[in-house]
Amino acid sequence: QKEVEQNSGPLSVPEGAIASLNCTYSDRVSQSFFWYRQYSGKSPELIMSIYSNGDKEDGRFTAQLNKASQYVSLLIRDSQPSDSATYLCAVRGDSSYKLIFGSGTRLLVRP
Amino acid sequence: DVKVTQSSRYLVKRTGEKVFLECVQDMDHENMFWYRQDPGLGLRLIYFSYDVKMKEKGDIPEGYSVSREKKERFSLILESASTNQTSMYLCASSFLDGNYGYTFGSGTRLTVV
Repeated sequence: QKEVEQNSGPLSVPEGAIASLNCTYSDRVSQSFFWYRQYSGKSPELIMSIYSNGDKEDGRFTAQLNKASQYVSLLIRDSQPSDSATYLCAVRGDSSYKLIFGSGTRLLVRP
Repeated sequence: DVKVTQSSRYLVKRTGEKVFLECVQDMDHENMFWYRQDPGLGLRLIYFSYDVKMKEKGDIPEGYSVSREKKERFSLILESASTNQTSMYLCASSFLDGNYGYTFGSGTRLTVV
């Protein structure tokens, strides 16, 4: 059973801090990795994708991938209260179009 | 602005009713998916389709069926609604290889009374 694991949280950080969200996956041949943000009562929204080892930056967001450790993370710099949401990690395996979703980490940014 | 559109945002149905949830995408995506999301249980895949008239069961297909007569439209059918089908239903679509992730619709919150 292919799995994607996330700490459910809540992860609480003060406004302006760096929030670090982590995700591990079990399928060693996974190829594509995604972070979705989901506000309460809303649908998931894709915010980052990463395909190769290393860091990928987009504004205040940085995705980090380490395939050897089967680990992907999302850093949010200068966290804002509007970043308070649940963040879902999703992984696409080799030769599969299906994404495996983690259960999400709830982030709370305190003003 | 590319979109996945779900026909209803909120829906209230009675036990035993046949319920249709509609999803339309304008991105020319091959794949379409139906999920339900419940507190503490995450996203659970009900059915998916990779082509017109093609469908495959997901993790929790019991009590549901689907229809895909056109590439842009994927319908979820609750044959006889039950209270345990009260949930948030999310439609998503993607290109065939899934390499760019899924785009989700805004969701339908279904309450069965």
